[in-house]
Amino acid sequence: RKEVEQDPGPFNVPEGATVAFNCTYSNSASQSFFWYRQDCRKEPKLLMSVYSSGNEDGRFTAQLNRASQYISLLIRDSKLSDSATYLCVVNRDYGQNFVFGPGTRLSVLP
Amino acid sequence: DTGVSQNPRHKITKRGQNVTFRCDPISEHNRLYWYRQTLGQGPEFLTYFQNEAQLEKSRLLSDRFSAERPKGSFSTLEIQRTEQGDSAMYLCASSFTGLDSSNQPQHFGDGTRLSIL
Repeated sequence: RKEVEQDPGPFNVPEGATVAFNCTYSNSASQSFFWYRQDCRKEPKLLMSVYSSGNEDGRFTAQLNRASQYISLLIRDSKLSDSATYLCVVNRDYGQNFVFGPGTRLSVLP
Repeated sequence: DTGVSQNPRHKITKRGQNVTFRCDPISEHNRLYWYRQTLGQGPEFLTYFQNEAQLEKSRLLSDRFSAERPKGSFSTLEIQRTEQGDSAMYLCASSFTGLDSSNQPQHFGDGTRLSIL
């Protein structure tokens, strides 16, 4: 089993739809969590950090459930520009490497 | 531009040749990471440095791979005797880790795309 797993996708949704991605991690000692987005043939870019209490940034909401070891990302009122691959990232221990999930591809259709 | 800088952007070489990539991190970042990414996969960790010290290496980093960060600023990743399986995007990222070991998120460079003929 991979250390970080994500919904396989792809997700094809119409503009304005709400879409949710899930991510699970296997190491209970994981400390920090992030969502990155990656456009085709570009580098990953930080979308948002994920805090224990959940956090929101505009149309994006991230949730963390430590007991079940999963992270979610909700995108409301999706835009064409949201089309990208969304990477779940888990930092196992303080000072150790960041582990990336395989990514979930989203296509927002007109 | 004060982001992470990588060069070259693209490298095409014949199997068996040596290649070297360079990464210049964000100046105040003390951590520097190398990743490899192939199509349809997330980035795979290769190694990371805290200042000039190489603290962890993945088992993916065979003896043909070596990375350095001699002065705790820029880093180089060298691949010797390249193989076709080395074809991938090589990404560098940097971050800041404070004295309390709290990790800030990583910021990535544009990557170096390596193609082995």
